[in-house]
Amino acid sequence: KQEVTQIPAALSVPEGENLVLNCSFTDSAIYNLQWFRQDPGKGLTSLLLIQSSQREQTSGRLNASLDKSSGRSTLYIAASQPGDSATYLCAVCSGNTGKLIFGQGTTLQVKP
Amino acid sequence: GAGVSQTPSNKVTEKGKYVELRCDPISGHTALYWYRQSLGQGPEFLIYFQGTGAADDSGLPNDRFFAVRPEGSVSTLKIQRTERGDSAVYLCASSLDGASGITDTQYFGPGTRLTVL
Repeated sequence: KQEVTQIPAALSVPEGENLVLNCSFTDSAIYNLQWFRQDPGKGLTSLLLIQSSQREQTSGRLNASLDKSSGRSTLYIAASQPGDSATYLCAVCSGNTGKLIFGQGTTLQVKP
Repeated sequence: GAGVSQTPSNKVTEKGKYVELRCDPISGHTALYWYRQSLGQGPEFLIYFQGTGAADDSGLPNDRFFAVRPEGSVSTLKIQRTERGDSAVYLCASSLDGASGITDTQYFGPGTRLTVL
């Protein structure tokens, strides 16, 4: 059974810092991995999707990497801003129906 | 363009009552997913539709939960005899083509917050 774990559960950094969020999964047979952002009381916004054949994806200040063999992904946020404060969720698609298995999320606070 | 919409945004009901939650996916998206998110947790998969049919309902917790998508667009999640443990945010997501597109991005709605008193 696929399990997804995110560490740390919460993180507080000063504005301007570069930071890394971690995600690990137990079954390396995945189709893709997605990172989402969730603001309080809101739905999920897709940030990056990495196909199983890819090693990384970049969007603006965000860079996500994928190492299937070790069951790990990282989300790198450069030059963090207070507007980056949110919960970041990692999810893997490991079945042929597209259903996502989520981690519990990392709640990020960027202090001005 | 319009994203995924869900109604109502909030629903308060009493234990034992029946509720219906509605999801309008992005136009043209054939794949539709329902998830449930409890406080402080990541979303948990409930059911997946490819077109009108439920292709995977392995996440439905019991037979009190049922979902339909009769015309391959709007979906309704139905919960009978609600229990306090059903309280959660119910999220709907759609993607372009789940059949070949297991690699497609899922776009989520804002969710319906269900509270069972």
